[in-house]
Amino acid sequence: DADVTQTPRNRITKTGKRIMLECSQTKGHDRMYWYRQDPGLGLRLIYYSFDVKDINKGEISDGYSVSRQAQAKFSLSLESAIPNQTALYFCATESTVTYEQYFGPGTRLTVT
Amino acid sequence: GIQVEQSPPDLILQEGANSTLRCNFSDSVNNLQWFHQNPWGQLINLFYIPSGTKQNGRLSATTVATERYSLLYISSSQTTDSGVYFCAASGAGSYQLTFGKGTKLSVIP
Repeated sequence: DADVTQTPRNRITKTGKRIMLECSQTKGHDRMYWYRQDPGLGLRLIYYSFDVKDINKGEISDGYSVSRQAQAKFSLSLESAIPNQTALYFCATESTVTYEQYFGPGTRLTVT
Repeated sequence: GIQVEQSPPDLILQEGANSTLRCNFSDSVNNLQWFHQNPWGQLINLFYIPSGTKQNGRLSATTVATERYSLLYISSSQTTDSGVYFCAASGAGSYQLTFGKGTKLSVIP
C-alpha cells in the first residue's frame, strides 16, 4: 500500500467552484507539504505544516488554503478556482530523521 | 531566496551509456535532494545529500557545498531511467525546498 495517498487523482472543475484536494499518509511523519507543478517547470511550494497546530505559507499561497486535520491528513482547498490554477498538485511528507521527502502520486486538476 | 539551476535541460542516451547531471545553487545549503519523476508522474526521492558522496546501485551523487554544486551520476543507463531528474535545495534558516527546472533524460534501446 502507498505510504502517501492523494484524492482525487484527476479532477475537472469550473471557474469559481470551491474544490478540496486531500492527502493522507501512513509514514508517521509530522511534516507535510503541498506543491504544484506546471508543465516544464519544477515544483513550487504552496503551504507546509510541521504539526497539527503549525501551518506556514509557501512561495505561492495566494488563492489557496490548507487544513491539517490530524498528523496523517493535510488538505488543500481552492476557494474559488481559476484557470491558471490548472496544474499537477503533489502532497509530500518529510522525515525529521533523514530529511528526505516522500511524494504522493499527484492530483491533476483542470479548471475550465 | 536560493536559486537552483540544472543542466543540461535535455539529455538523450543510448542504453548502457553513463551520464552526469549537474545542479548549481546560489547559496550555502542545509538540505539538498535529488528526485526522479517517471513518465507517469510519480516522484521518487533518490538522495538526500547536502554534502559528500552517496551511492545507491547504479546511481551516485556528490555535493561540493563549498563550490555550490551537486552532481548526479547514472551508470549503465536503462530505459527505466527515463524521466525528469530534479534537484531541490534549501538555504540556511529555511525549511522550504526550491526545485530546479529539471533535466529530462530519455534512454533509448
